[in-house]
Amino acid sequence: GQSLEQPSEVTAVEGAIVQINCTYQTSGFYGLSWYQQHDGGAPTFLSYNALDGLEETGRFSSFLSRSDSYGYLLLQELQMKDSASYFCAVRNSGAGSYQLTFGKGTKLSVIP
Amino acid sequence: DTGVSQDPRHKITKRGQNVTFRCDPISEHNRLYWYRQTLGQGPEFLTYFQNEAQLEKSRLLSDRFSAERPKGSFSTLEIQRTEQGDSAMYLCASSSREVVDRDEQFFGPGTRLTVL
Repeated sequence: GQSLEQPSEVTAVEGAIVQINCTYQTSGFYGLSWYQQHDGGAPTFLSYNALDGLEETGRFSSFLSRSDSYGYLLLQELQMKDSASYFCAVRNSGAGSYQLTFGKGTKLSVIP
Repeated sequence: DTGVSQDPRHKITKRGQNVTFRCDPISEHNRLYWYRQTLGQGPEFLTYFQNEAQLEKSRLLSDRFSAERPKGSFSTLEIQRTEQGDSAMYLCASSSREVVDRDEQFFGPGTRLTVL
């Protein structure tokens, strides 16, 4: 099966940079994705890494190291609206499977 | 493109009753997923459709749960003989051929179920 570990809570100051780590265990690996969810809202897709390295999308970047079974989400120039929960997710290893397993989420609080 | 919609947004029921939720995916999306989410947890996969075919079911999906997508468009999730442990947010998501391989799924606002 799949399991993912990420910190439960992170607090950071507006304008700063924050990194949310995710380690995973999976019998097969396609890629690591990240989702954002505001309180009471729907999860929204942020990024996906299939290969080692850094993917940048505006203020958000995501990194993957397949050899370390590790990835992180980097948020720069934090804004108050970035306060939300962030989930890493991996796909089930079965052939043709699109079942995602999510971590428990990291609650990010951005303070003034 | 109006996004994924779900109905109802909230449902309160008594233990033992049956409930049915509806999900309307983004119109051109052929893949549809159901998840369950409880407080402080990530979404947990329940089932997945490609067009009208139900291709995957989680072990979490007991015999009391059934899902359909009869014409490959909207989907329904029915829970029979509800239990208090079924109280959760039920999320629907959809994706297209173009983004499925990067695990990009578009989620609806969810149906919050409370079983008394």
